[in-house]
Amino acid sequence: DAKTTQPPSMDCAEGRAANLPCNHSTISGNEYVYWYRQIHSQGPQYIIHGLKNNETNEMASLIITEDRKSSTLILPHATLRDTAVYYCIVMLTSYDKVIFGPGTSLSVIP
Amino acid sequence: DTGVSQDPRHKITKRGQNVTFRCDPISEHNRLYWYRQTLGQGPEFLTYFQNEAQLEKSRLLSDRFSAERPKGSFSTLEIQRTEQGDSAMYLCASSNTMGQRDYGYTFGSGTRLTVV
Repeated sequence: DAKTTQPPSMDCAEGRAANLPCNHSTISGNEYVYWYRQIHSQGPQYIIHGLKNNETNEMASLIITEDRKSSTLILPHATLRDTAVYYCIVMLTSYDKVIFGPGTSLSVIP
Repeated sequence: DTGVSQDPRHKITKRGQNVTFRCDPISEHNRLYWYRQTLGQGPEFLTYFQNEAQLEKSRLLSDRFSAERPKGSFSTLEIQRTEQGDSAMYLCASSNTMGQRDYGYTFGSGTRLTVV
């Protein structure tokens, strides 16, 4: 079973920041938080991952709370192309099998 | 290298027929994964390979399903005696455990199977 809890759906206005929350209260000290997204009719796409420090790449930022029990994925300027299902996953390394939960369906609205 | 390729993209088959799907991973990736996804659900893990060795199989992978990865390159997933419940998107992904940087899994676009 997935070790994370995410809201089933969210809306975001185009051009605004999209903040997607994830709870992972049972995360262990050596487990990472990974985020993937799946645009309709495509395979999932890796976005970002982190252990305890905040991370940023060209796609998004990941903010992990100090107790590591929750995190937030931030898409700084959401576009219509960011409409997708976003999955938050906890795992030891990316080489483990990924266990997907239902994710959050993000709709970016014009 | 253009990423993970899956063939065919779509397959319609009659119940009881056998089907085979192919996945070509990114060439330097040593791990290959198969997932199944039904409408409205997240992908479900089926099995994975490290090089040519099949290291884990989900209980979802009944004896009608078999996967191979000869020579540690491409992989095939075969479903025998298909049932309507097998209708789903079958996703393949690959990853590299030897790389210096973790880029997560790279997924293909999937094969959509419809059993009629």
